[in-house]
Amino acid sequence: TAGITQAPTSQILAAGRSMTLRCTQDMRHNAMYWYRQDLGLGLRLIHYSNTAGTTGKGEVPDGYSVSRANTDDFPLTLASAVPSQTSVYFCASSPSGSDSYNEQFFGPGTRLTVL
Amino acid sequence: QKEVEQNSGPLSVPEGAIASLNCTYSDRGSQSFFWYRQYSGKSPELIMSIYSNGDKEDGRFTAQLNKASQYVSLLIRDSQPSDSATYLCAVTPGYALNFGKGTSLLVTP
Repeated sequence: TAGITQAPTSQILAAGRSMTLRCTQDMRHNAMYWYRQDLGLGLRLIHYSNTAGTTGKGEVPDGYSVSRANTDDFPLTLASAVPSQTSVYFCASSPSGSDSYNEQFFGPGTRLTVL
Repeated sequence: QKEVEQNSGPLSVPEGAIASLNCTYSDRGSQSFFWYRQYSGKSPELIMSIYSNGDKEDGRFTAQLNKASQYVSLLIRDSQPSDSATYLCAVTPGYALNFGKGTSLLVTP
């Protein structure tokens, strides 16, 4: 079982360009999440989806958008990248989005550099 | 902002010793508590979850929760050099995890 896959592994992007980070899970988890991890700031939630067809904003949603057309996929789009979006991006999933027993499992991450 | 605080470290312990990692949180409504291990350049890996006051043991790991004191800890017995990593505490009242910034653990041979 692959669990959660993310693509690309890393990317260098020119400022102002758009990009979609892909995330796919094969565990049939209802909930999915996008985090960014920055040195000194830790992991911060960007967007989440408790179930297919619904999305919500996390702590740092500005400049990012998501969609959840089906259970397995949860792409993150940067419409016009800025250097402050340079970060490592992790996708995660959990069996339920509304249960407090909310063990989240992480993908391998995408390292994005915006120049 | 709901705060989750951890000492950044590094915490250095000799091989075979007990490593004690601590975490405090500000949201009294928090229901679930997790410890993740993150090796350099890798993604967080869930190693322990705890939901009620007291101790929970899994192999060499013991998680301790005290909701009255808003405190959760992780003990690693018989520490090994392979335990050297950053340990992230995560707390949630429901769906969203609030992470601490992590404690760096170094186990020296």
